[in-house]
Amino acid sequence: DAKTTQPNSMESNEEEPVHLPCNHSTISGTDYIHWYRQLPSQGPEYVIHGLTSNVNNRMASLAIAEDRKSSTLILHRATLRDAAVYYCILKEYGNKLVFGAGTILRVKS
Amino acid sequence: DGGITQSPKYLFRKEGQNVTLSCEQNLNHDAMYWYRQDPGQGLRLIYYSQIVNDFQKGDIAEGYSVSREKKESFPLTVTSAQKNPTAFYLCASSDGGGREQFFGPGTRLTVL
Repeated sequence: DAKTTQPNSMESNEEEPVHLPCNHSTISGTDYIHWYRQLPSQGPEYVIHGLTSNVNNRMASLAIAEDRKSSTLILHRATLRDAAVYYCILKEYGNKLVFGAGTILRVKS
Repeated sequence: DGGITQSPKYLFRKEGQNVTLSCEQNLNHDAMYWYRQDPGQGLRLIYYSQIVNDFQKGDIAEGYSVSREKKESFPLTVTSAQKNPTAFYLCASSDGGGREQFFGPGTRLTVL
């Protein structure tokens, strides 16, 4: 399984944008980039995924570097409810997810 | 409401006892998964099933067993052979393709 590297933790102010980075230098051409987040004592929640192009949905945006060796999850306006562990995962179509340790996002009011 | 249910939320067992965790989904998903999470760690895959009556071992299957007799149900048994069973157990399902997995609320198992 291709590996991702994320910062252990990040901090943001409420109502400001947050950029969560992920490095995946060994990504293969068939790997999708998935992001999940997990609130304390809950199951993970899907956030967004993409292959080559930038993606937007109601929760976030995913910016993918042209060489695909890195990506950034963008929360446009952080709220206290966005405080969670964010996981960046590489996944081949039809294959299983492999979770790393993720980034702990703290949001200050 | 469509979703995944896991019961119970908290479970206590004595060492040496087998225990079965329930997972049910009404999303009509073909694939189902079981993960284990230890404090401060990411999730690790125990078993997964891509179709009824078929399942595969994940990365940490030793000491666990599963069955998939119905599409909606994927129970996990934690056996006495599992050396350190105290953990947070999460069940998930997906349509088996490239889209997202949907997770249940989890069962926190404590072995005394």
